[in-house]
Amino acid sequence: KAGVTQTPRYLIKTRGQQVTLSCSPISGHRSVSWYQQTPGQGLQFLFEYFSETQRNKGNFPGRFSGRQFSNSRSEMNVSTLELGDSALYLCASSLAEGGPTDTQYFGPGTRLTVL
Amino acid sequence: GQNIDQPTEMTATEGAIVQINCTYQTSGFNGLFWYQQHAGEAPTFLSYNVLDGLEEKGRFSSFLSRSKGYSYLLLKELQMKDSASYLCAPRDDYKLSFGAGTTVTVRA
Repeated sequence: KAGVTQTPRYLIKTRGQQVTLSCSPISGHRSVSWYQQTPGQGLQFLFEYFSETQRNKGNFPGRFSGRQFSNSRSEMNVSTLELGDSALYLCASSLAEGGPTDTQYFGPGTRLTVL
Repeated sequence: GQNIDQPTEMTATEGAIVQINCTYQTSGFNGLFWYQQHAGEAPTFLSYNVLDGLEEKGRFSSFLSRSKGYSYLLLKELQMKDSASYLCAPRDDYKLSFGAGTTVTVRA
């Protein structure tokens, strides 16, 4: 079974621009979560989608948004980029049916650099 | 809110045993996960505990005490490839909260 895939793997943007990152979950997984990882803050939860609905949201400004499509693929968008948005953005998918099936499996991440 | 505490760094020699402790305070709880992350790579799933007690998976074991808000990951027969960051992640509803991670260095 193919793992979680994320595109693009690397991205360089300038301040003020916007960016869209994509995540394809493991086949059959219906939940997709997004995390931001930086050396100073570690892994921080952004949001989680299940059946095209956002179920959980972390403490990030409204510039960070996401959506999920009917095939469970998800995108996240960051508008008006700031230097501090430079990070590794990780997507994780799970079956989300309770118990061990909630195990989240991570994609390789998108490394975003904001100049 | 969430409060997750684990040591920043640990060093051990090849073949030894290392125990990584994690204490947590969460508003809700339905399981605790341990992940391994090598530098520059994505986290990979190691173990999951939802009930009190020990879960063993080969060289890795994880223990949970829900009443104490405490878990540990035990790494036995350490190998050089075990040098990585280990992340404790309690689950609240559908959200995982991660600790800062414990960097384990295995020396020959």
